[in-house]
Amino acid sequence: DVKVTQSSRYLVKRTGEKVFLECVQDMDHENMFWYRQDPGLGLRLIYFSYDVKMKEKGDIPEGYSVSREKKERFSLILESASTNQTSMYLCASTPQGVTGANVLTFGAGSRLTVL
Amino acid sequence: AQTVTQSQPEMSVQEAETVTLSCTYDTSESDYYLFWYKQPPSRQMILVIRQEAYKQQNATENRFSVNFQKAAKSFSLKISDSQLGDAAMYFCAYTTSGGGADGLTFGKGTHLIIQP
Repeated sequence: DVKVTQSSRYLVKRTGEKVFLECVQDMDHENMFWYRQDPGLGLRLIYFSYDVKMKEKGDIPEGYSVSREKKERFSLILESASTNQTSMYLCASTPQGVTGANVLTFGAGSRLTVL
Repeated sequence: AQTVTQSQPEMSVQEAETVTLSCTYDTSESDYYLFWYKQPPSRQMILVIRQEAYKQQNATENRFSVNFQKAAKSFSLKISDSQLGDAAMYFCAYTTSGGGADGLTFGKGTHLIIQP
């Protein structure tokens, strides 16, 4: 019954590598989000998208980019990974404009370690 | 910018007892939505309870209830008859968007420990 799937649960990358984190949802949701979760800091919004090819910066977009070529898929890209991007990354989605639309459905998370 | 504050980094409670997790928020809006999410160890984040600010009545979901004090901008979560499965990180969250487009602003979380 998995509805938001993050392709990699654990990744280890080297400084300077390009990193792709993939997220796919099967609920036909319009809105998709990437959050970063760090101990003591909670969840912080990196980027979100409310439609195919649309993207909006969240609170901490620096060092990240996103891609949404298809409605069901939202990718987070680290162009040149740095050690301070070691973190847990959570993808989430919501439908648009219906009652209860602001309830996020989360993926299981991708724990990224940058060495 | 809206902020959400959870002042208790960690709470501990005996199994079967009641515990209250605190959350305050800062906003100039009159209409908004508040949430409590639960993240069990190594598991997915799930919604516990949702409150719409224009509703006077406090939301409840089985053993989980909230104390929503709009004037005080306070939104605490009460867990009654605590169970071992309630052990998790709990996050308070806020949004002004009813349509889902803007995402949520989260607090830093409270780690809840259940003592058997």
